[in-house]
Amino acid sequence: RKEVEQDPGPFNVPEGATVAFNCTYSNSASQSFFWYRQDCRKEPKLLMSVYSSGNEDGRFTAQLNRASQYISLLIRDSKLSDSATYLCVVISGGYNKLIFGAGTRLAVHP
Amino acid sequence: EAGVAQSPRYKIIEKRQSVAFWCNPISGHATLYWYQQILGQGPKLLIQFQNNGVVDDSQLPKDRFSAERLKGVDSTLKIQPAKLEDSAVYLCASSPLDRTGDYEQYFGPGTRLTVT
Repeated sequence: RKEVEQDPGPFNVPEGATVAFNCTYSNSASQSFFWYRQDCRKEPKLLMSVYSSGNEDGRFTAQLNRASQYISLLIRDSKLSDSATYLCVVISGGYNKLIFGAGTRLAVHP
Repeated sequence: EAGVAQSPRYKIIEKRQSVAFWCNPISGHATLYWYQQILGQGPKLLIQFQNNGVVDDSQLPKDRFSAERLKGVDSTLKIQPAKLEDSAVYLCASSPLDRTGDYEQYFGPGTRLTVT
């Protein structure tokens, strides 16, 4: 079983749609959780951290369920510029080791 | 603030040849990471340096891959000899890892390696 698993995608949605990505992780001792965004042929960039209480940044909402070892990302009012691959990331163990999921590709069309 | 620099951006080599990649992290960042990203997959950590010491190289194929970070700044990653399955993007990242636990890693643009 992979340490971090994500929805297979791709998700093709119209502008203005709401889309949700899911992610599960296998190590119950994982400490920190993030969503990174990666544009085509570019490097990953931090989108947002994920906190136990849930957190929101504009149109983006992240949720964490430690009991179910599940992370989600909700994007409201999708924009064309949201088209990218979204990587679920978990920190397990010491030394800030990031473990990435395979990513979910989002394509927003007019 | 200058970002993480990597070179070359692209490299094409034949199998069994050698190749080296260079990374210059963000100034002052103590931690440096090398990742391998195969097409369609997420980045996989190869090696992590804290200053000039290795803290994790558990997923580095040590029979062919080597990395060093002299003087705790720049780093090089070498593959010798290369195999077809080494075709991937090699990403370098750095992190300040300050007292408040800032875990954000800043990635360079990557080196796209094609082994033929």
